[in-house]
Amino acid sequence: NAGVTQTPKFQVLKTGQSMTLQCAQDMNHEYMSWYRQDPGMGLRLIHYSVGAGITDQGEVPNGYNVSRSTTEDFPLRLLSAAPSQTSVYFCASSYPDRTGELFFGEGSRLTVL
Amino acid sequence: GENVEQHPSTLSVQEGDSAVIKCTYSDSASNYFPWYKQELGKRPQLIIDIRSNVGEKKDQRIAVTLNKTAKHFSLHITETQPEDSAVYFCAEHPDTGNQFYFGTGTSLTVIP
Repeated sequence: NAGVTQTPKFQVLKTGQSMTLQCAQDMNHEYMSWYRQDPGMGLRLIHYSVGAGITDQGEVPNGYNVSRSTTEDFPLRLLSAAPSQTSVYFCASSYPDRTGELFFGEGSRLTVL
Repeated sequence: GENVEQHPSTLSVQEGDSAVIKCTYSDSASNYFPWYKQELGKRPQLIIDIRSNVGEKKDQRIAVTLNKTAKHFSLHITETQPEDSAVYFCAEHPDTGNQFYFGTGTSLTVIP
């Protein structure tokens, strides 16, 4: 099993560019989520999904879009990158009952110049 | 997240000593409290968790205690070793929602 796979691992963008962070899991998890990690601020939830076709906003959703067309994939889109979006992004998934272990991807380090 | 406060932000201990990290939460309906360890440059990984119907849980050198009345839970690491050096995050899962809310993290350094 690959677990949770994120791509790319590193990305540099210019202000105003758009990009998509990919996340895929092969554990048949219904719950998937995106977090950003910034120094001193912990892990903040951007968007999450409880199943295919269902998405919802987390704590810091502005500037990001998500979709969940399949159980396996949960891409995160940056519409118009800003320097404030420089961060490490983690995708995480969980078992169907939701109150279980979160499995994280390896992270994607994004720099916006 | 705004629902969870974690202290201290940094902690240094001598090898062999104990380390304690505390978190407080605001939602009385929260029912699941995991702890994650993140080594430098790696992904967070679950090390221990506790549910609201349990007051304490142990796994070898680590333990978690929960005080629902005071709305706080703590991670205890005994006989610390250099490989325990990492950032530790507490989290809570409210019973009424789907989100996991994380604390701001504690950077633990174990000095050999």
